[in-house]
Amino acid sequence: DAGVTQSPTHLIKTRGQQVTLRCSPKSGHDTVSWYQQALGQGPQFIFQYYEEEERQRGNFPDRFSGHQFPNYSSELNVNALLLGDSALYLCASSLALFGEQFFGPGTRLTVL
Amino acid sequence: AQSVAQPEDQVNVAEGNPLTVKCTYSVSGNPYLFWYVQYPNRGLQFLLKYITGDNLVKGSYGFEAEFNKSQTSFHLKKPSALVSDSALYFCAVRDMATGGSYIPTFGRGTSLIVHP
Repeated sequence: DAGVTQSPTHLIKTRGQQVTLRCSPKSGHDTVSWYQQALGQGPQFIFQYYEEEERQRGNFPDRFSGHQFPNYSSELNVNALLLGDSALYLCASSLALFGEQFFGPGTRLTVL
Repeated sequence: AQSVAQPEDQVNVAEGNPLTVKCTYSVSGNPYLFWYVQYPNRGLQFLLKYITGDNLVKGSYGFEAEFNKSQTSFHLKKPSALVSDSALYFCAVRDMATGGSYIPTFGRGTSLIVHP
């Protein structure tokens, strides 16, 4: 039974560029949430997708956008990258909005 | 609003000794509480959760946590620490109140260092 997978593992971008991160949920899960974990901090909620719609959003600017596909996989897009966007980006999947979340290994984004 | 506090940035313990990692929470309704562990450059791994029932919850790798409603605490414990337990530990809370967010709020994390 495959768990949550994320790609790529690591990514290096420069300021002003755009990036797309990908997540495949655990088998049987239909909801995907994205978190940003800055160095020395706990995960901060970005947004959650269910039935291909954004259901909840944390305190992140519109530069952060996402998408969920019919197979429940999801993408996180960040435009106009800033140095402060450097972080570990975690994807978590669950069964429905209120289900227990299972986390992927994360994508380490470095913005130079 | 819901919040979590992990008052210790770092906990040091000798191998074989008991360990405690502290967590306090704030919610308007009943809490749904979690502990996760994170190893370097890895995602979060679930350790245990509390929804209702017994105040002492047993989880993975010999860890347990004690829910104390009056003190709004959910401390993580292990009777005998291993060097391999050294990692970053996160407490998280969800508010079970009607209309509460489905999204857990995480603490800042506590670095556990177990010395040989």
